[in-house]
Amino acid sequence: GAVVSQHPSWVICKSGTSVKIECRSLDFQATTMFWYRQFPKQSLMLMATSNEGSKATYEQGVEKDKFLINHASLTLSTLTVTSAHPEDSSFYICSAAVAGSSYEQYFGPGTRLTVT
Amino acid sequence: QQQVKQSPQSLIVQKGGISIINCAYENTAFDYFPWYQQFPGKGPALLIAIRPDVSEKKEGRFTISFNKSAKQFSLHIMDSQPGDSATYFCAASKRPYGQNFVFGPGTRLSVLP
Repeated sequence: GAVVSQHPSWVICKSGTSVKIECRSLDFQATTMFWYRQFPKQSLMLMATSNEGSKATYEQGVEKDKFLINHASLTLSTLTVTSAHPEDSSFYICSAAVAGSSYEQYFGPGTRLTVT
Repeated sequence: QQQVKQSPQSLIVQKGGISIINCAYENTAFDYFPWYQQFPGKGPALLIAIRPDVSEKKEGRFTISFNKSAKQFSLHIMDSQPGDSATYFCAASKRPYGQNFVFGPGTRLSVLP
């Protein structure tokens, strides 16, 4: 099956610093990647959709200058949380899809971000 | 119209019992309905999925029942086991492929030993 990895699996950073989260499709080429945010005991909230080689499309209310998304290749997308604040602490999950091939999205294992 | 409703919010079932989770949608353009299982601290994992051309799909102990006219679908977990204790999300998607999913709010299932 299609495998998506995320790195790191958890990260602690100080307020005001930036942190980068990587999402990789290991055995397929992902034309589209999605970034989600999940608070405890809540559902997944879509933050942005990125297509390889294009600018990401952000959902309403998501600050594009704070959450920088880069989808530089068909196997890698990165989410950078800039000038992190404690309220950015959350579980970030990426998923990858192959446009035109399948309905399915393949989810990564998630990254737990704690901002102190 | 993009919303997917899910109930119950939480569910407690005895080992060996049947767990039933229900979802409803409004947008008739949705034509793919997956269910995801998520354990604490992990990403969601696809459990089973259905398209509207069938009314039921079964994979092992997991069954999706789909009612197109009512715009409802449900997940049945037969012979529920403590290892099934997790949060379950229904979702819906539509063409073209690679679209974002609309997720339900989730159901926390606890199966008592």
